[in-house]
Amino acid sequence: DQQVKQNSPSLSVQEGRISILNCDYTNSMFDYFLWYKKYPAEGPTFLISISSIKDKNEDGRFTVFLNKSAKHLSLHIVPSQPGDSAVYFCAAITSGTYKYIFGTGTRLKVLA
Amino acid sequence: SAVISQKPSRDICQRGTSLTIQCQVDSQVTMMFWYRQQPGQSLTLIATANQGSEATYESGFVIDKFPISRPNLTFSTLTVSNMSPEDSSIYLCSVAIIDTEAFFGQGTRLTVV
Repeated sequence: DQQVKQNSPSLSVQEGRISILNCDYTNSMFDYFLWYKKYPAEGPTFLISISSIKDKNEDGRFTVFLNKSAKHLSLHIVPSQPGDSAVYFCAAITSGTYKYIFGTGTRLKVLA
Repeated sequence: SAVISQKPSRDICQRGTSLTIQCQVDSQVTMMFWYRQQPGQSLTLIATANQGSEATYESGFVIDKFPISRPNLTFSTLTVSNMSPEDSSIYLCSVAIIDTEAFFGQGTRLTVV
């Protein structure tokens, strides 16, 4: 049972344009959501997060949107840069459990 | 934040052997975890490494196959025992300073032949 789903395994975007990565979840107990970026031969690095009490969180070029009714979140990268090319993982957690549930990742390629 | 050093970074092992992966954190942390990422799959939690007591394993993972040690608050090891090609994965050590952000080591890429 995949509680966190990233249905797009890959995405290609032109440099300077917007990248939109999507994530869906099924467990209504999740109350905190995170995005991680992973380069080859490196561990995932934290990118941005959002609490379920918010519907948007912004950090520079990165914005995460949360739609609780649809159990959907998205990561927007504007403008996209070639250095953003990586695998992006969505993760969800119920506060206090320390159990992160990850999606399968979306490989983003930003074309110069 | 936390800096996590994991070694080895990669290894190729013969089936039937065992490999121990080490994880060192630059500060004392309470919550320490081991994850596995099989090819094309998401990160899956193997167990929570508890300091001074037995690890807490997730469904589908057992201590005989993945023994874990946690002698102090900065160090843990994961052993992959009696390996088979199905154990070929990336193994990741992770810590949580607060429960809403996890930090990861660079991972150990294991290939079993």
